[in-house]
Amino acid sequence: DGGITQSPKYLFRKEGQNVTLSCEQNLNHDAMYWYRQDPGQGLRLIYYSQIVNDFQKGDIAEGYSVSREKKESFPLTVTSAQKNPTAFYLCASSITQGADTEAFFGQGTRLTVV
Amino acid sequence: LAKTTQPISMDSYEGQEVNITCSHNNIATNDYITWYQQFPSQGPRFIIQGYKTKVTNEVASLFIPADRKSSTLSLPRVSLSDTAVYYCLVGDRSGAGSYQLTFGKGTKLSVIP
Repeated sequence: DGGITQSPKYLFRKEGQNVTLSCEQNLNHDAMYWYRQDPGQGLRLIYYSQIVNDFQKGDIAEGYSVSREKKESFPLTVTSAQKNPTAFYLCASSITQGADTEAFFGQGTRLTVV
Repeated sequence: LAKTTQPISMDSYEGQEVNITCSHNNIATNDYITWYQQFPSQGPRFIIQGYKTKVTNEVASLFIPADRKSSTLSLPRVSLSDTAVYYCLVGDRSGAGSYQLTFGKGTKLSVIP
């Protein structure tokens, strides 16, 4: 089955630790995105990537880092510099970043920092 | 960057038609209008997309007036399973020329038995 996979579904970390969230897609999509969602809120864009080895900051990139070494993979690292890391994180991909793009989302990773 | 405005919430009884309107006064010539649905603790799912006039699929219809400054998502005969948050997106081209897929807060639709 083609799709986009995020792992793990739930993640617990101690304050001050870096943590990396996995996102893999086998849809052969060029563009990939990371979003953060807080309770009762919409999605806020953290980073996005149009192509391998290239990525841009979204609206709330501070305290996060990404890499895009392979087309299929776009891992997100939540660093200790992120002041409020507890949230629901969503990864998405689309075939391109054109005006008529349709994004496909993973099931999300719920990160809790204690 | 294009911005959208939607009602924060709506209630509807089962079996009724629901219309959710989105305002996008600054829509650009090349922008498409796309709607997503999100259930709790899940990623959003694409519903429908259009550029002008009317688009219909097996799930919904999308009405876009000639000036394209607004659009209306129409859900026919909603059921309890349509309770979700609905997001309206328009093309959000960054300075680098790529689309960022910016989501607003969406409209929380509650379907009542």
